[in-house]
Amino acid sequence: EPEVTQTPSHQVTQMGQEVILRCVPISNHLYFYWYRQILGQKVEFLVSFYNNEISEKSEIFDDQFSVERPDGSNFTLKIRSTKLEDSAMYFCASRDADRDEKLFFGSGTQLSVL
Amino acid sequence: AQSVTQLGSHVSVSEGALVLLRCNYSSSVPPYLFWYVQYPNQGLQLLLKYTSAATLVKGINGFEAEFKKSETSFHLTKPSAHMSDAAEYFCAVSDQWGAQKLVFGQGTRLTINP
Repeated sequence: EPEVTQTPSHQVTQMGQEVILRCVPISNHLYFYWYRQILGQKVEFLVSFYNNEISEKSEIFDDQFSVERPDGSNFTLKIRSTKLEDSAMYFCASRDADRDEKLFFGSGTQLSVL
Repeated sequence: AQSVTQLGSHVSVSEGALVLLRCNYSSSVPPYLFWYVQYPNQGLQLLLKYTSAATLVKGINGFEAEFKKSETSFHLTKPSAHMSDAAEYFCAVSDQWGAQKLVFGQGTRLTINP
């Protein structure tokens, strides 16, 4: 079965630094998402993206966050100035428009902010 | 606002025994309900979904779940546990067709004892 690929699997950064988390969604999918899970907490929705624009975002997704689809294959999440509380597992997901209800998730990027 | 509560962060059963993972939801509109599974070092995979058709939903790997509106529950069951079922299981709810934004429970880690 096709997969959503995320890189890197682990990222360590210093507080205040910018990070970019990368995702390659499934090739024919049109809808893209970022979720995150802080250790010991629930998986939380961050943002959804369709047709080169954000379709919905959560309260967590403030001005420090941005998403981009720079080419036909990648989908990135940028955190401009990381904070300690940004440490979490970040999951990318994608969806095929013809199979609306099924999200395909990547294996995640564990972000550690020191 | 929607929410999901999974009773029991950790469930342990013997191989061959019944698996029962509990999920209760809160939603102001008819919900769409999902169970996802996460195996170690992998992304979340859809096990099954309820989208207002049959209340008993069958999924992959022998799992099924029953939507009970009166109890606001969507418990996941499997008659006979296999060692390969050891994973983390997440219940999720959405108020939108197309899984635009999933609200997850905190997850239940299932351990299978030989």
